[in-house]
This record gives sequence, structure tokens and C-alpha cells, in this order.
Amino acid sequence: DVVMTQSPLSLPVTLGQPASISCRSSQSLVYSDGNTYLNWLQQRPGQSPRRLIYKVSNRGSGVPDRFSGSGSGTDFTLKISRVEAEDVGVYYCMQHTHWPHTFGPGTKLEIK
Amino acid sequence: EVQLVESGGGLVQPGGSLRLSCVASGFTFSSYWMNWVRQAPGKGLEWVANINEDGSAKYYVDSVKGRFTISRDNAKNSLFLQMNSLRAEDTAMYYCGRSGDYWGQGTLVTVSS
Repeated sequence: DVVMTQSPLSLPVTLGQPASISCRSSQSLVYSDGNTYLNWLQQRPGQSPRRLIYKVSNRGSGVPDRFSGSGSGTDFTLKISRVEAEDVGVYYCMQHTHWPHTFGPGTKLEIK
Repeated sequence: EVQLVESGGGLVQPGGSLRLSCVASGFTFSSYWMNWVRQAPGKGLEWVANINEDGSAKYYVDSVKGRFTISRDNAKNSLFLQMNSLRAEDTAMYYCGRSGDYWGQGTLVTVSS
């Protein structure tokens, strides 16, 4: 199985400051069609997951442009340009290139 | 608006069975892969099973193979998860998902004597 790792696992951030989360996969996430199926999800407290980013760098519908994704191969990053109070929650990277699809352990973002 | 509404969770004894359902609306259900993902209390997310658009291809995580069966009824815009031989470690919130982009609010399964 593809193992997804994230760092940091806990991320205290001051409101208005940037935040960055790293995600690494144990093998390349480039699929045979040339696409890289790496998503970033947000899970606010008490809510179901919400997709923020798909295929590494594409923002989902309704996702604020302060969220951005980058990376390639096995190394990926989610950046929040200016953290807002509503960004509190757990962020997961997820790969659906290889079966079984797997998630990272999650990064808990909190406001300092 | 995409909506996924799960039902069927509850308390069941070890070794018992449950059937989860998910009704979809707001999109052409028959055009999408669908999946079940679960989250044990206080833990992270785990992909459980996938099914393709017409139900001809199904994939399961190793821990549920032979015990869980994913299925769908495109005429009723519905996704199902039949869970047999349930174990304490299957206790989790189960989310119905569309191709990794939308998830429902979940249904809680508790396996305990």
C-alpha cells in the first residue's frame, strides 16, 4: 500500500499568517494517464471531509483562493496564504492513483 | 447541489451484520465512481471500498475483504455497503463519497457487546 506521511501533525498559526503542510508518498503518484491523483481535504470539527484541492494544484468548487497546492511525484504541499478562523480543523492529503486509496494521518491546524 | 445522505448505522454485536445505504442527488449518479470511507472515533480517514459507474468493478481494503460488499442501484441513485462478520475495529463513522470530491454527513456504526 502507498503510505502517505504529513508534517507537521500539529500546526498552531496566528490569524492572518501563512501556513504550509507537507505530504509525502512512499511511491510516485503519477498515473499511467499522466495525471497525479493527489487531493487535499479539510475536515472541520464535527463535519465530514471537504475536498479543497484535486490533482495536486486545482482548487475545488467554492474553495477560497488563499488555498493552493503544489508538488509532483512524491512530494506535495498545501499552503494557506492567510489563515482565517474558519480554517481550523484537520487537513488530509489523499492519493487515488493506487489501490487501495490512502490518506495521510492528518495535520491539525489551530489558532494560536 | 450535490447531496449524499447515509443511513443504516447503529449498534450491532460482534459477528453481526448491517447494511448501509446512501441516496445521492444533484448529479448524474450513474456517471460516477462511488466509495465508502470510514473514520474510527478520534482517528483519521480510511478508504473502505470503491465501485465503478455500472457496478462491474469493485475494490476493497484488505481489512474488509470477504466481509463487506459494495453495490449500487443506479435506477434509485443509491449506494450500499453490506457489512457482515462485524468486529469491534469496524466501529467508525462511515461516509459515502463521490469519486473523492464529495462526502455525506456519515452514519455511525458501533460494534459492541
